[in-house]
Formats: sequence, C-alpha cells, structure tokens
Amino acid sequence: KNQVEQSPQSLIILEGKNCTLQCNYTVSPFSNLRWYKQDTGRGPVSLTIMTFSENTKSNGRYTATLDADTKQSSLHITASQLSDSASYICVGPRGGGADGLTFGKGTHLIIQP
Amino acid sequence: DVKVTQSSRYLVKRTGEKVFLECVQDMDHENMFWYRQDPGLGLRLIYFSYDVKMKEKGDIPEGYSVSREKKERFSLILESASTNQTSMYLCASNADRRSTGELFFGEGSRLTVL
Repeated sequence: KNQVEQSPQSLIILEGKNCTLQCNYTVSPFSNLRWYKQDTGRGPVSLTIMTFSENTKSNGRYTATLDADTKQSSLHITASQLSDSASYICVGPRGGGADGLTFGKGTHLIIQP
Repeated sequence: DVKVTQSSRYLVKRTGEKVFLECVQDMDHENMFWYRQDPGLGLRLIYFSYDVKMKEKGDIPEGYSVSREKKERFSLILESASTNQTSMYLCASNADRRSTGELFFGEGSRLTVL
C-alpha cells in the first residue's frame, strides 16, 4: 500500500531555533511530494512541491529536500518564529497509476517564546 | 487572491438531523474535493468532482452525499448526522488533476453532532 509517514508526530522548540521535519514515502511510481502548512483552525496552504529531479528547494526560511534513493523528504525551518507554530503535512501521489493523493498524518510543531 | 469559502466555520447539530456544508470557489477550478480531518488520522477524502453534475466516491463516502450543480459550488450533505461524523470538514479545489496540482483549501467547517 502506498504510504506517506511523517515524524515526529509533534515537536516543541524554542523561538529562534532550527528544526527538521521528516517524511518517508513508499509511493510507487514516485513523481512528487508537496508540503502543506496548516495553522490551527485553518485550511492547509502549500509551502512547496518537490519533484523527482529536485534535491533541494527553498521558500524563505523553509527548505525542503528530497532523497529519491532513501525515499525521504525533509522540511527544515531556520530561525523559527512563533508564526511557524502549525501542523505540517506531507502529501504524495496515490500511486499505482491512480488519480488522487496520499496524505501524511502531519507533524504538529509548537514554537515557544 | 485565490479563495475557497466554506459557509459555516462552526456547526452544532443533533443526531439524525440533515446537515448541509457549502463550499464556493472563485478560481474557475474544474476539480473540487471534500475531506474530513480527525486527530491522528489526517485528511481523508470523502467525495470529489471533476465537473459540474459529476461526483465520485472517495475513501470514506458512507453516510455522505454531494451535489455539484454549478462549477463554483460543491455541497456536502449528511442525510442523517451521527456522532461519529463529528469532525473538521475541509473543502478544496484545483485546476490540475495530476498529483502535482496544488490544492486550495477553505478554512474548514467544524461540525459537532450531539
């Protein structure tokens, strides 16, 4: 079964610190992974998409990486801010040639002042 | 700015009531989706539509139905609400059916069934 698994489930860090969120996938065939940020009580918003040919992509203080060999993606947040407190969701294709998406369960990140 | 609007942010209903959740998008997107989101389970697809009057079952359609009479509007219907349908409901739309297509989500409707 195609899956997207995220770790850790939750994370608490101090403001200003860096952190890395992980996403392991078993989707086949693989084409892309997208990271969404979901603020509490709001809908998810796309941060970035990683396609098969990309290793690293930055969006401000967010940097996503993709390792196709180990089937891992990570989202690195630099110099965290209170506004980074949110859930981060990794999403991949359903796989097997089917339409649709496979959602990770998310990492709940809390930034403490 | 891209916008997906869900009619109600919070609803409280009683078991057995009929519930309508409305979603409108202003981006002329072909594709619209209804998800529910529960702690520890992530987002699960209920129904989706790739065109007006078209609907397809997602992974958990039981107890739900949908209506898409106009391109911009996609409604989720709970014919007889039950307590296990207490959840956050998220509507989304996009223009690209491929998995690379970005989903644009509404703010969500938190439904409590008593």
